[in-house]
Amino acid sequence: DTGVSQDPRHKITKRGQNVTFRCDPISEHNRLYWYRQTLGQGPEFLTYFQNEAQLEKSRLLSDRFSAERPKGSFSTLEIQRTEQGDSAMYLCAHPTGDSLNTGELFFGEGSRLTVL
Amino acid sequence: EDQVTQSPEALRLQEGESSSLNCSYTVSGLRGLFWYRQDPGKGPEFLFTLYSAGEEKEKERLKATLTKKESFLHITAPKPEDSATYLCAVNSGNTPLVFGKGTRLSVIA
Repeated sequence: DTGVSQDPRHKITKRGQNVTFRCDPISEHNRLYWYRQTLGQGPEFLTYFQNEAQLEKSRLLSDRFSAERPKGSFSTLEIQRTEQGDSAMYLCAHPTGDSLNTGELFFGEGSRLTVL
Repeated sequence: EDQVTQSPEALRLQEGESSSLNCSYTVSGLRGLFWYRQDPGKGPEFLFTLYSAGEEKEKERLKATLTKKESFLHITAPKPEDSATYLCAVNSGNTPLVFGKGTRLSVIA
């Protein structure tokens, strides 16, 4: 089954505040991905999990970003001390169906962050 | 480093006016080239995977083709509901997807 719930859908915060996004796949998937998309750009890879293990992190993921997937199901992405440059859509995704092809992803509708 | 360049950035078509979108790529060892559709305020929706030069995939009014350097997404007799941003992406080995910036397609009735 495919399907991803992301919460919140929209978040407006002041610079310097911390924010947390949550991603809930509707069924179990070993792999879970986080991407970031700014206006007029394609999604950019941030990090991915294989079950509970965070296997790869992009250099875009500064020390202010942390992601977890404690039980291998839902995942959280936290941004500390937000900056205006963090304003973007944060997308969560998992592989489609039984495909082992890591390029065939089902994306959630995203969490849009605006940092004032 | 894998790179993807899409053109044009935006395309405006009349309903029924066929056209093509281009995706040029540079990758060391292509594992797959992927097309996605993205509607405003939504996440990307997977359309096609192409693995090797000469391969073609079709879905309704869309047909994707692949050469060693580029891919085309042909849109035949488009309808207003085909309006969206079309994203191209590649991966090599076990690397994550690298996306282009997309082509914003508007189909006018």
